[in-house]
Amino acid sequence: AQKVTQAQTEISVVEKEDVTLDCVYETRDTTYYLFWYKQPPSGELVFLIRRNSFDEQNEISGRYSWNFQKSTSSFNFTITASQVVDSAVYFCALRNNAGNMLTFGGGTRLMVKP
Amino acid sequence: NAGVTQTPKFQVLKTGQSMTLQCAQDMNHEYMSWYRQDPGMGLRLIHYSVGAGITDQGEVPNGYNVSRSTTEDFPLRLLSAAPSQTSVYFCASSSVREIVGNTIYFGEGSWLTVV
Repeated sequence: AQKVTQAQTEISVVEKEDVTLDCVYETRDTTYYLFWYKQPPSGELVFLIRRNSFDEQNEISGRYSWNFQKSTSSFNFTITASQVVDSAVYFCALRNNAGNMLTFGGGTRLMVKP
Repeated sequence: NAGVTQTPKFQVLKTGQSMTLQCAQDMNHEYMSWYRQDPGMGLRLIHYSVGAGITDQGEVPNGYNVSRSTTEDFPLRLLSAAPSQTSVYFCASSSVREIVGNTIYFGEGSWLTVV
């Protein structure tokens, strides 16, 4: 069985602060895929990033960056200089190698206050 | 969310009624799935399909039925709705053949209330 844990259920920051969302996963697969999704108040799921287990390079996209560490089974997400529009629920997810199981964490609700 | 269409977006049912949530994708994806989202619990997999004629149970399949007669469509049926099935439902699809893909596309969600 695979599992994704997002220990932070809710985070509140003031605009322009940096914030890191934690994600820890468990899997027996040696090849797997990790995702981050954003769910704004409108409800739809927005794809942010996919990371393959064999690629441990960190990635930066604008104000977003991701730190993937296989040694600690973590895939953390940092928003630099947060903005009010970043307010949303963020989900980390793990997909198995066979591709038939996508497991989500419980989500972290981020509130960015002006 | 281009390519995955879910209907209806909102629905209110009475306990015991049946209904079908429709999901269609036009990307020729082999893999389709249904999730439900409840507060604080993330998304949980209900059923999934890896191709036409093939379906399998996910984490929370009880009370739901699916079929996959075509590649494009993957309807989710509630045979006798219960208040515990009040939730937001998401359909998703992806290709399992992409070497560098495996991106999953979600529909916009269906808000279901059972009273």
